[in-house]
Amino acid sequence: GQQVMQIPQYQHVQEGEDFTTYCNSSTTLSNIQWYKQRPGGHPVFLIQLVKSGEVKKQKRLTFQFGEAKKNSSLHITATQTTDVGTYFCAGRGKLIFGQGTELSVKP
Amino acid sequence: DVKVTQSSRYLVKRTGEKVFLECVQDMDHENMFWYRQDPGLGLRLIYFSYDVKMKEKGDIPEGYSVSREKKERFSLILESASTNQTSMYLCASSLGRAKNIQYFGAGTRLSVL
Repeated sequence: GQQVMQIPQYQHVQEGEDFTTYCNSSTTLSNIQWYKQRPGGHPVFLIQLVKSGEVKKQKRLTFQFGEAKKNSSLHITATQTTDVGTYFCAGRGKLIFGQGTELSVKP
Repeated sequence: DVKVTQSSRYLVKRTGEKVFLECVQDMDHENMFWYRQDPGLGLRLIYFSYDVKMKEKGDIPEGYSVSREKKERFSLILESASTNQTSMYLCASSLGRAKNIQYFGAGTRLSVL
């Protein structure tokens, strides 16, 4: 069945450093979504990418969808303590979620 | 704002008990989902429903059942709770199949002793 793999599982950064998480699917995705879950909270939708090669930005966050629509990445520039949480990608359909990347930021 | 409400934040049950987890959404969404979340395993889909009285198995349905008698309510049932069902349970809803952004409830942390 369709699988969505996400790496790394954990990432610890110093405040101000950049951060990237990668999402890879075993099959072509019609779209991909990204969610953020703050510690103790629930996943909250961030963005959806639909087109091959699409790039979207939200302030310091940059989201990319691969040309083959089988991978995606989330890049955070100059992390802040408010970026702490777990970031999930999710592939189209009933939504297959990746395992998530837990980001911790040291002030 | 979409609101997805789960009936309990924390539950403690004993092995063998029948457990009901309730979820209600107030935005007339067609789709509803139940996930469990465990460290290192992400969100795993238990069951989902695209319509009233309709249900489909997700990736890990064993030991669970669901009920959707009304559009706004989706219940997860553990017929006979076991310790390996100790987990965080998250309910979600989305507008429809083509509009599948999911809105999550706050979660129910279930402990089975």
